[in-house]
Parts: sequence; structure tokens; C-alpha cells
Amino acid sequence: GAVVSQHPSRVICKSGTSVKIECRSLDFQATTMFWYRQFPKKSLMLMATSNEGSKATYEQGVEKDKFLINHASLTLSTLTVTSAHPEDSSFYICSARDIGLAGTQYFGPGTRLTVL
Amino acid sequence: AQSVAQPEDQVNVAEGNPLTVKCTYSVSGNPYLFWYVQYPNRGLQFLLKYITGDNLVKGSYGFEAEFNKSQTSFHLKKPSALVSDSALYFCAVRVLPSSNTGKLIFGQGTTLQVKP
Repeated sequence: GAVVSQHPSRVICKSGTSVKIECRSLDFQATTMFWYRQFPKKSLMLMATSNEGSKATYEQGVEKDKFLINHASLTLSTLTVTSAHPEDSSFYICSARDIGLAGTQYFGPGTRLTVL
Repeated sequence: AQSVAQPEDQVNVAEGNPLTVKCTYSVSGNPYLFWYVQYPNRGLQFLLKYITGDNLVKGSYGFEAEFNKSQTSFHLKKPSALVSDSALYFCAVRVLPSSNTGKLIFGQGTTLQVKP
């Protein structure tokens, strides 16, 4: 089955530093990848949609200069949280969609970010 | 506005009994419907989807869901619940036409608790 990996699974950083999270589709090509944020016992909040080779589309209220997204290849997207603050602490989940709008979205295992 | 509703925050069922997790949607256009399951501190796992065709969809781990267009529902069901089915379940809908990115709209999630 389709597998999406995410790295790291857990990261703790100091306030003001930047953190990069990688998302890879391991056995399929993903022209579109998504980044979500999830608060405890809550649903997923879509942050942005990234298409390979083009700029990401951010949801309303998400700062694009703070959450930098790069989708350089059909199997890799990265999310960089710049100048992280404690309020950025959360569970970040990426998702990759296989070919076409009817394709299924597969989710990575998530990254737990804690900013001290 | 397009939305997905999971009216129950939590569903409790005894092991061996049938389970139902409810989902209703409100969209314009033809929906593509999905169910995902999330275990603690993990990403979402795809269970099943409805695109077109037979209204009864069978998915992973013995789960199935029935698309009911007149009631705009897509309830998740399993004939005999297992303790290991205890998790957080999300219903999601993707709406075409492709004037949007085809992003998923998630329900708020339902916690399923299966007791021995």
C-alpha cells in the first residue's frame, strides 16, 4: 500500500530557532502534498497545499513566511517552521495524494514539535 | 458552506457488537467521501472511500460504509467490533469541480471505545 514517511517523528527546540520537517511518499509519486496541524483531540487544520515545482497555497490565517513549504520533487515536501515560538508547539502531519483529484490522500505518521 | 459533521464525539460499544460511526455532509456537487482512523500519536490511516458506483463500500480491517445520497450520509460500520478498533475516526469529503484544489474537508472526529 501507499506509504508516506515523515521525519523527524519528534523534535524539541528552543524558541527562536527553525525546524525542518520532511515528508516523503515512498512508493508513489505525489504531485500534491498537504500540511496539517492537529491540536489534542481535535480535527486536522489544513495549513497549506503544495504542488510539485510551484509555490504552496496557504490557508487563510497561516503565515507563509513563518511556515515555509518546499515541494522540490514528486516524492518530497518540506515544512520549515521559522523562528519557532511555544505557541507553534503542535502535532504536524503531512499528506500526499496519488495521481489525480480522485486519488486517495495518504498521511504521514506525524511530527510532534515542542518549542521551549 | 461545505461541511462534514460527525454528530457523536464518542461512541461506546462492547466487543463483538456491531458498531456505527455517523457522518453527514453538506456540499454542492458530487462528493468523494473518505474514512480515516487515527491511533494515539500517529498519522491517519486510510480505511475506505466512495467515489462512484455501489453505495456500499468495503474497506480495511472489516469496515464498510454506506453512501446515502438522499440523507447525505456516509456512516462507517463494522459487524463485530474489536478492542483494537478503539481509536479516533475521521470522515472527510472532497468536492469537485477542480476550481478548488480538491482538498479534503474533515469532520471533527469521533472517538470509538470498544470495551471487552
